[in-house]
Amino acid sequence: DAKTTQPPSMDCAEGRAANLPCNHSTISGNEYVYWYRQIHSQGPQYIIHGLKNNETNEMASLIITEDRKSSTLILPHATLRDTAVYYCIAPNTGNQFYFGTGTSLTVIP
Amino acid sequence: EPEVTQTPSHQVTQMGQEVILRCVPISNHLYFYWYRQILGQKVEFLVSFYNNEISEKSEIFDDQFSVERPDGSNFTLKIRSTKLEDSAMYFCASARVTGNVYEQYFGPGTRLTVT
Repeated sequence: DAKTTQPPSMDCAEGRAANLPCNHSTISGNEYVYWYRQIHSQGPQYIIHGLKNNETNEMASLIITEDRKSSTLILPHATLRDTAVYYCIAPNTGNQFYFGTGTSLTVIP
Repeated sequence: EPEVTQTPSHQVTQMGQEVILRCVPISNHLYFYWYRQILGQKVEFLVSFYNNEISEKSEIFDDQFSVERPDGSNFTLKIRSTKLEDSAMYFCASARVTGNVYEQYFGPGTRLTVT
């Protein structure tokens, strides 16, 4: 897997945008970037994925730099229910996801 | 919306016993996975399964572990002779695959406690 690095923790005010960065400088040309989150001890929840174009869905937006060495997950209007650990994953085979320590996001009222 | 389901939600077993954890993947998915998460630690990949055979496995997935798709809907993880260190949350996942994209969807997990 391409190694990804994320800040260990972040805070965000409720209603504001949460911007979660991820560095994946060793990513190869055909490796996708996936984002998941885990709330308490629940199963990881798929959020979004991308290759080189920016992506948006009903949950979030994903901005990938042109050189693909980093990306940012954007939760446009964070709510208390978005408090979770967020994982950025860049698997080289697509089949084996390596979950690092992620970013623990706390949304503050 | 279809979901991955897992049973039981909590399993308590004695050391040395065999356990079977069950999963029902999303119905049109063809790739299946098991992960585990020891309390307070990272989610760790165990095994992936496609076309009725293991496609990848981690170092954790030793001879103590086996997987099976006994019918068209269930996907199971068997742990023989459980050890205390097998206590963990076990997550099943199934993937919708489009080209080189593997969207894995996870179940709620089974908490295994070995005493």
